[in-house]
Order: sequence, then C-alpha cells, then structure tokens
Amino acid sequence: KAGVTQTPRYLIKTRGQQVTLSCSPISGHRSVSWYQQTPGQGLQFLFEYFSETQRNKGNFPGRFSGRQFSNSRSEMNVSTLELGDSALYLCASSIGPQVYEQYFGPGTRLTVT
Amino acid sequence: EDKVVQSPLSLVVHEGDTVTLNCSYEVTNFRSLLWYKQEKKAPTFLFMLTSSGIEKKSGRLSSILDKKELFSILNITATQTGDSAVYLCAAYNNAGNMLTFGGGTRLMVKP
Repeated sequence: KAGVTQTPRYLIKTRGQQVTLSCSPISGHRSVSWYQQTPGQGLQFLFEYFSETQRNKGNFPGRFSGRQFSNSRSEMNVSTLELGDSALYLCASSIGPQVYEQYFGPGTRLTVT
Repeated sequence: EDKVVQSPLSLVVHEGDTVTLNCSYEVTNFRSLLWYKQEKKAPTFLFMLTSSGIEKKSGRLSSILDKKELFSILNITATQTGDSAVYLCAAYNNAGNMLTFGGGTRLMVKP
C-alpha cells in the first residue's frame, strides 16, 4: 500500500507570497491532519480534516488555511508568507476521526526568504 | 493547555546498551499516547498505547503507559547504530485527531 505523499517536497518563496501544499493520504484513510515542525517549536498541530470538514484547528493565524476534497486529498494554503513560516510541513493520515494511528508523509520543506 | 514533556533531551550510548526514554503528559480528557521515530524526514509510527500497564513490544523496542502517574516509557534493548534518531511521543485528547507532541529525545548510538 502506498504511503502518504506530499508535494512539492521543497519550496522557496519570498515574503508576502502565498503557497499551496498538497497531501494525498494512504488509500482508505479519510482523515488528514497537518503539522508544522520547526527547530524552536517542535511539531505543532495546524488542522485536521475528515469528510471535507475541518474538525480541529491549532493555534495558528488565519493566514493558514486548508481544505479536503471528496477523494480525501488535502491542501493547505499559507497566505502573506513571513520569514517565520519557514518550516517542515507534515501531513498525516489516519483511518478516521476517532483515535487511530496517524501515518506521516515525507513533508514539504518551505523556505521563506 | 495540553502539554507533553520528554526526557532526556539527548542521549549518547554505545551499541549494545539499553536505553529508557521518558514521556510525561498533562492532557485534558486523555485518550492515548503514541511514540514515533524520526530520522531525517517523516516520523514513523512505533506504538500507540491506550491502556495502562499493558506493554507493547516490537523487536527490541517496548513501551508501557501509566495513566495514574501520567507517563510512558520507551525501552530499546541491545541498541544499534540504526536506532540513532529523534524519538517523539505525542498524546491525544478527546477532541479528536489532534496530537500534542513532546520536544523529542535525540538518541545517538555509537559503534
């Protein structure tokens, strides 16, 4: 079974621009969560989607948004990029919204200059 | 606010040693605790623990949860250089699929 895939793997953007990251979950998994990982803050929860609905949101500004499609694929968008948004963005999928193991994708490394 | 704390921050051992990594948590309506291994990129799933006192084992790795004292340990026996990684623990609360992660323990195993 293929794992979680994320595209692109690396991205360099300039301050003020916006970016869209994509995540395809493991086949059969319907829940997708997004995390930001930085050396200073560690892994922090961004949001979680199930059945195209955002169920939970972490403590991030409104510049961070996401959506999920009917095939469970998910995208996250960051608008008006700031230098502090440079991070590894990880998506994780699980079977459903109850408490199941989450499996992570390889991440998208975003650098904001 | 939910909180997960791991100790030690880092550890250097020699091949063949046994290590114990610690994870304590303060999570409202705690549901379960997960352990992950992160080498270069994505964390890879190791264990999910929901019940207190029941050890989970996979090869040389084992883990146990104590819901009364709010902590978990991850043991690695007969360590190998391939065990070098950052080990992360994370806890779920009842709100759903939101994992709160600890800061990780960086393990280095020397030959």
